[in-house]
This record gives sequence, C-alpha cells and structure tokens, in this order.
Amino acid sequence: DARVTQTPRHKVTEMGQEVTMRCQPILGHNTVFWYRQTMMQGLELLAYFRNRAPLDDSGMPKDRFSAEMPDATLATLKIQPSEPRDSAVYFCASGLSSPFEKLFFGSGTQLSVL
Amino acid sequence: KQEVTQIPAALSVPEGENLVLNCSFTDSAIYNLQWFRQDPGKGLTSLLLIQSSQREQTSGRLNASLDKSSGRSTLYIAASQPGDSATYLCASRTNDYKLSFGAGTTVTVRA
Repeated sequence: DARVTQTPRHKVTEMGQEVTMRCQPILGHNTVFWYRQTMMQGLELLAYFRNRAPLDDSGMPKDRFSAEMPDATLATLKIQPSEPRDSAVYFCASGLSSPFEKLFFGSGTQLSVL
Repeated sequence: KQEVTQIPAALSVPEGENLVLNCSFTDSAIYNLQWFRQDPGKGLTSLLLIQSSQREQTSGRLNASLDKSSGRSTLYIAASQPGDSATYLCASRTNDYKLSFGAGTTVTVRA
C-alpha cells in the first residue's frame, strides 16, 4: 500500500535546539501539506506545496519555522530555535492537486520540547 | 472562514449498536467533505469522501451523508464493534487546497 512516510516518529529535544522533520509523500502526488495537531487548537495548516513550490505558509511562525521540498520525494519542516509551545504532533499529508481528490496523512512526528 | 463543529465530543455505546456521528459547517460552498479516523498516537486514515454534488457515500458498514444546504454531514457506522473505537474527524474543503477540520468525536464501543 502506498503511504506517506514521516521521520522521526518521536522527538524529544531541549528548548533552543533545531528540529528537522521529514516527509516522503506518496509517489505521484504533487501536493504536500504540513499540519500541526494540539489538544487546544486541533489540526492547523502550517504549509502547502504544489509541484514543490510553497503556495501557502501563512500558518507558520515565520521567525522560527521553515518548510522546503528539495525534491519531489522529500519535504522538510524545520524549527529553529524550538520552544516548549511547539510541542505537538506534526503531520505531513499528500495528494493530487485536484480539489476533488482525497488527502492521505502520514503517522506524524510527536515533538516534545523541554 | 469555515467553521466545522462535531457534536458530541465523545460517545460510548455497547457493541452492536449503530453509531451516528454529526458534523456541521458554516460555509456551504464546499468542494467536498471527508471523514477520517484517528487511532491514538496514529495518523489520520481517510474513510469516505463525499463530493459536493453527492448526497451520500458508502463503504462496508460505513455510510456518510451530505446536506450542503443545511451545512451538515452524518457518518453512520452500522453494528459497531470494539475495533471501531477511535476518534472520527470530518473536514470540509472550501477552496482548491484548504481543509477545515472539526475537533472530532471520540467513540468507545464497549464489548
């Protein structure tokens, strides 16, 4: 079964450290999304890429977060420096660019910033 | 801005009972509505996708209906089983890429 792969599954780090999360979208999918899930806010869209180009990163704190797609098989989300309030589950999702298609989610990265 | 609400937040039923999960949204100009399942510590698994032109979609014991005019979707799970215990989220798509998620309904099916 094709699936979205995220690494690492869990990350514990100290405040101020850099965190990098990686995502391998499903082969053939040309859209990639980064979401953050917390108990308080639910699922929030952080960034959206189509054909590797960032089209919407309005949900990301610009001063510390950055998202890139170095190639079609890899998307990265970086936090530098990390803060305790960044503790959350970060999901990557991929799909086709048609709005009529399903979105497929990875298993997420559980991030704890101490 | 699209607001998506799921009530109740939690539901507990005995095995065998039918489940009815509700989702309401404020902007009826949607492309589609998608239902997801989330198990603890796991990602979201897509269950059903209903296009705006459709009234319902079925997959096995699952049936989802959509009433755009009233801004509502309902997920029915027939003959519930303990394995159906999970959180169910609905999400509406109002432009070509943005999904607006509800907070989810956590279901417990008692054996």
